[in-house]
Amino acid sequence: AQSVTQLDSQVPVFEEAPVELRCNYSSSVSVYLFWYVQYPNQGLQLLLKYLSGSTLVKGINGFEAEFNKSQTSFHLRKPSVHISDTAEYFCAVKTDRGSTLGRLYFGRGTQLTVWP
Amino acid sequence: DTGVSQDPRHKITKRGQNVTFRCDPISEHNRLYWYRQTLGQGPEFLTYFQNEAQLEKSRLLSDRFSAERPKGSFSTLEIQRTEQGDSAMYLCASSSPRQKSTDTQYFGPGTRLTVL
Repeated sequence: AQSVTQLDSQVPVFEEAPVELRCNYSSSVSVYLFWYVQYPNQGLQLLLKYLSGSTLVKGINGFEAEFNKSQTSFHLRKPSVHISDTAEYFCAVKTDRGSTLGRLYFGRGTQLTVWP
Repeated sequence: DTGVSQDPRHKITKRGQNVTFRCDPISEHNRLYWYRQTLGQGPEFLTYFQNEAQLEKSRLLSDRFSAERPKGSFSTLEIQRTEQGDSAMYLCASSSPRQKSTDTQYFGPGTRLTVL
């Protein structure tokens, strides 16, 4: 089975500061990795994804993430945050084989709050 | 390019009543997924369809829950005899895999259910 751990439930930062949201996963097979963002009372929007190839993945809104297979991590980073980045961020994994091909496994989320 | 749409956006019902939600996927997507998200948690997989076939169901999908996708386009999720524990956001997603297993899921805005 797959699982995702988001190590921080809340991350407060000041505007224009850098931020890192941590994500670790557990899986016995190869995985694909995703970060989604959720604004209040809305659905999930895809930020970026890692399928294969380069371990540094760039996404929308200036976010990037790095896949580290040895540490089973997929941390999300942004060098300078804006107040509009305040939202809930979810890390998710998906397998490439087995009986659970269809589903995404999500972490519990990290609430990023950007202060002026 | 219209995204995934869900109807209604909000539903308030009394315990014991039946409710039905609708999801319209992105038009060319043949895979459709349902997830449930409770407060403070990440989304949890419920079920998914490829065209009209329901290929996977979670153990979370009790006998009171049923999902259909009769013509391979829109889908409905029905909850019978609702309980207060059913209160959650119900999210729908769709995807169109070009390569098996690497398809990306795009989410709708969700239906928030409150059971009184």
